[in-house]
Amino acid sequence: GENVEQHPSTLSVQEGDSAVIKCTYSDSASNYFPWYKQELGKRPQLIIDIRSNVGEKKDQRIAVTLNKTAKHFSLHITETQPEDSAVYFCAASNLSGGSYIPTFGRGTSLIVHP
Amino acid sequence: NAGVTQTPKFRVLKTGQSMTLLCAQDMNHEYMYWYRQDPGMGLRLIHYSVGEGTTAKGEVPDGYNVSRLKKQNFLLGLESAAPSQTSVYFCASRPGGGSYEQYFGPGTRLTVT
Repeated sequence: GENVEQHPSTLSVQEGDSAVIKCTYSDSASNYFPWYKQELGKRPQLIIDIRSNVGEKKDQRIAVTLNKTAKHFSLHITETQPEDSAVYFCAASNLSGGSYIPTFGRGTSLIVHP
Repeated sequence: NAGVTQTPKFRVLKTGQSMTLLCAQDMNHEYMYWYRQDPGMGLRLIHYSVGEGTTAKGEVPDGYNVSRLKKQNFLLGLESAAPSQTSVYFCASRPGGGSYEQYFGPGTRLTVT
């Protein structure tokens, strides 16, 4: 089955800095990669996703890049703000396999210091 | 729309007791999922359902059972709770038809003593 590794487990930055979270996956058939944000005590919410037919996707201050050859994808947050502090989860799945069963990484706790 | 709701929000059980967690969604979603979240372990899939009347095992199904008798509800049962089942449980749903965003419930914090 799929295995997703996520690094770092904790990331501390100053407000205004950029933050990068990296994930690697093992199954070359995976073709859909969502990112979820979970604020403290809240539910996970989708913030951005990418499919394997594109290499990069942006949405305001967040972007995701995908390297299919190396089997890794990254979340980039620019001009970080205190409200970006949360746990971020990456996931990978194969949409061609029938049921959509994403495999999640273990999460990255992002702390943005004012 | 309430979205995805979970009942109860908190529960403390003694080892060997049983309980049922209820997940309800009012978005007419086809797919529903139960996850457990433990510190440093991410979200691990317990069971899922691809439609009313269907269920399937996920990554960590042992000790749990599920039922989806109605499209809007997905029940997670613990027949004989163990301390290893202390966790935060999240339910999620998604519409299907090419949409893959999962909508999560607020979670249930379960402690087994």
